Amino acid sequence: QITLKESGPTVVKPTQTLTLTCTFSGFSLSTADVAVAWIRQPPGKALEWLALIYWDNDKRYSPSLRSRLSLTKDTSRSQVVLTMTDMDPVDTATYYCVLRGSEDGPFDSWGQGALVIVSS
Amino acid sequence: DIVMTQSPDSLAVSLGERATINCKSSRSLSHTSNKKGYLSWYQQKPGQPPKLLISWASTREYGVPDRFSGSGSGTDFTLTINSLQAEDVAVYYCQQSLIYWTFGQGTRVEMK
Repeated sequence: QITLKESGPTVVKPTQTLTLTCTFSGFSLSTADVAVAWIRQPPGKALEWLALIYWDNDKRYSPSLRSRLSLTKDTSRSQVVLTMTDMDPVDTATYYCVLRGSEDGPFDSWGQGALVIVSS
Repeated sequence: DIVMTQSPDSLAVSLGERATINCKSSRSLSHTSNKKGYLSWYQQKPGQPPKLLISWASTREYGVPDRFSGSGSGTDFTLTINSLQAEDVAVYYCQQSLIYWTFGQGTRVEMK
């Protein structure tokens, strides 16, 4: 059974750096073609892809947010960490950790999401 | 960026009737080498994460009822829900994966 769980602060202040951890089970991020993505959703709004890390440590970032994002993985601990700098109230959203289980495939499995509120 | 535009933004359908959601991309989502359509559909119910319904434009995921079907190619795609059930009330998103990943704005399906 595949599970993904996001963890991190619920509230961050403007200009601070957000660090979110995705802890997963049921698959390995060392398996060829597997990738883990971060996708966010502001309250009442649409989904927005942020970043994705491949099994071979290759990474992709949203062009509009690239300068603020960083991804790392710890395969032995089954974790992926997203860092987002210079947080702003418009970054208030639910942040999802998502598995892409096959080459060029869809987003197969989603975590429950972590709500992050940016407020002073 | 590839922009995904869904229509309508919302629709109300009677129990047992058909719901049709359209998704248009700003460029063709058909891969030049394998001709696959890099388009997926997701269902999101209130308070839940999205759930994958259809990948590669028309491939239904395991366990998804067969009243859900996807069609289309190039820049125009459709999600059809035949015989709408109460549990189908949700927001539906299309998503392209040809170049990076982008979602449509969502279509809210309600019961009439």
